[in-house]
Amino acid sequence: AQTVTQSQPEMSVQEAETVTLSCTYDTSESDYYLFWYKQPPSRQMILVIRQEAYKQQNATENRFSVNFQKAAKSFSLKISDSQLGDAAMYFCAYLDGGATNKLIFGTGTLLAVQP
Amino acid sequence: NAGVTQTPKFQVLKTGQSMTLQCAQDMNHEYMSWYRQDPGMGLRLIHYSVGAGITDQGEVPNGYNVSRSTTEDFPLRLLSAAPSQTSVYFCASSRGLQETQYFGPGTRLLVL
Repeated sequence: AQTVTQSQPEMSVQEAETVTLSCTYDTSESDYYLFWYKQPPSRQMILVIRQEAYKQQNATENRFSVNFQKAAKSFSLKISDSQLGDAAMYFCAYLDGGATNKLIFGTGTLLAVQP
Repeated sequence: NAGVTQTPKFQVLKTGQSMTLQCAQDMNHEYMSWYRQDPGMGLRLIHYSVGAGITDQGEVPNGYNVSRSTTEDFPLRLLSAAPSQTSVYFCASSRGLQETQYFGPGTRLLVL
C-alpha cells in the first residue's frame, strides 16, 4: 500500500526567509500525482502545488516550488520569501493513477512564520 | 461559483443518533469524496463516487453510508453515531480521474 511520510511535525521560519518542508512516499506505481495542500486555522484545504510523476521538471507556483526526486521517492516543498500568511499546516498527498481517485495524506507539518 | 459547500459547519450529537452531512458542488465535477481528519493522522478516505449513481468504499467506511442521486450532491450519513466518529469531515470534488481535488470548508462533528 502507498504511504506518505512527513517527518517534520513543526517548522519555523523568519519572515522573508526560505523554508523547505520534507515529504517522502512509498509506491510501486510508475504513474501517479503528488500534491501539497495548505490548511490555515480556518481549516480550509487549499491546493498549493501539483506534480505529475511523468514530468521531470519541478512544478512552481509563484513563491512555492517543489524538488521532486522520483528515484528517491522524495517530494519537498520550498517556500521562498516567507510571509505571515504562509503560517499553516501543510500536507503532502499522493494520488495514484488508478480508478479510485484516492488521495493519501501525510500527517502534516505545522509551519510558523516569525515576524 | 460557490465551489464545494458543506453544511452544517459544526454539530454535536449524542451516541446513537443519526444525521446527514451535506455536500454540494456547482462545478459539474464527476468525482466526489468524503474524508475525515483526526489529530495526528492526516485525512483518510471514507467513501467516494465516480459519478451519479455510483459509489464505493474508501479506507474507513464503517458506520457511514453515502448515495449520489445527482452530480451536484453527495451526502454522508452517520447511521448510529459513536464517539469514535468525532472528527472533522471534508468533502472534495474533481473534474475527473487524476484531476486536482477541491475541498469544502469542513464539518466539525462532536459525538458525546
